[in-house]
Amino acid sequence: SQTIHQWPATLVQPVGSPLSLECTVEGTSNPNLYWYRQAAGRGLQLLFYSVGIGQISSEVPQNLSASRPQDRQFILSSKKLLLSDSGFYLCAWSLGGSTDTQYFGPGTRLTVL
Amino acid sequence: GENVEQHPSTLSVQEGDSAVIKCTYSDSASNYFPWYKQELGKRPQLIIDIRSNVGEKKDQRIAVTLNKTAKHFSLHITETQPEDSAVYFCAAFLNKLVFGAGTILRVKS
Repeated sequence: SQTIHQWPATLVQPVGSPLSLECTVEGTSNPNLYWYRQAAGRGLQLLFYSVGIGQISSEVPQNLSASRPQDRQFILSSKKLLLSDSGFYLCAWSLGGSTDTQYFGPGTRLTVL
Repeated sequence: GENVEQHPSTLSVQEGDSAVIKCTYSDSASNYFPWYKQELGKRPQLIIDIRSNVGEKKDQRIAVTLNKTAKHFSLHITETQPEDSAVYFCAAFLNKLVFGAGTILRVKS
């Protein structure tokens, strides 16, 4: 069966510091991968998605970037964090196709101070 | 692109009562409609989904109905229990999954 991991689980970072969040999927090949952000009490904002290695689509222009160095690894990065980057970051995977059931990872709670 | 509206934003029900959450979508070509439940501090989890060739689907106390003509779909929870308290998200898929803003469901015991 498929499993999705995210780390770290929680992170507290100062404004202006860099960021690297990692997501890995087990038990499937060539998944679609997604990064979402959820501000406190808010909905799911799609940040990036990837349909394959090195293929990244950005949904929201901002100071974040994403990379997919391996088939089942998805990384979210920032060179300089802003206060507004605080939130709950969720990675998700899907098999794609005509329907797109997405399964979410456990999330990383980021607080920027 | 697709747009999904979800109502109500908050819903309080007495334990044992039914709860209904409604979503509308804009693009008639959307063909897949999942519902997710997110408990406080946890990940959204798929609870039920429906495809555009089906009008209704049930799984124990939860059901989803789809009206393609009106472009809306609804989540029905019967005999609500305190553990049903959570945020519920609907979504519609065309070329990508578009989520509604969420409904906070509170079940009062």
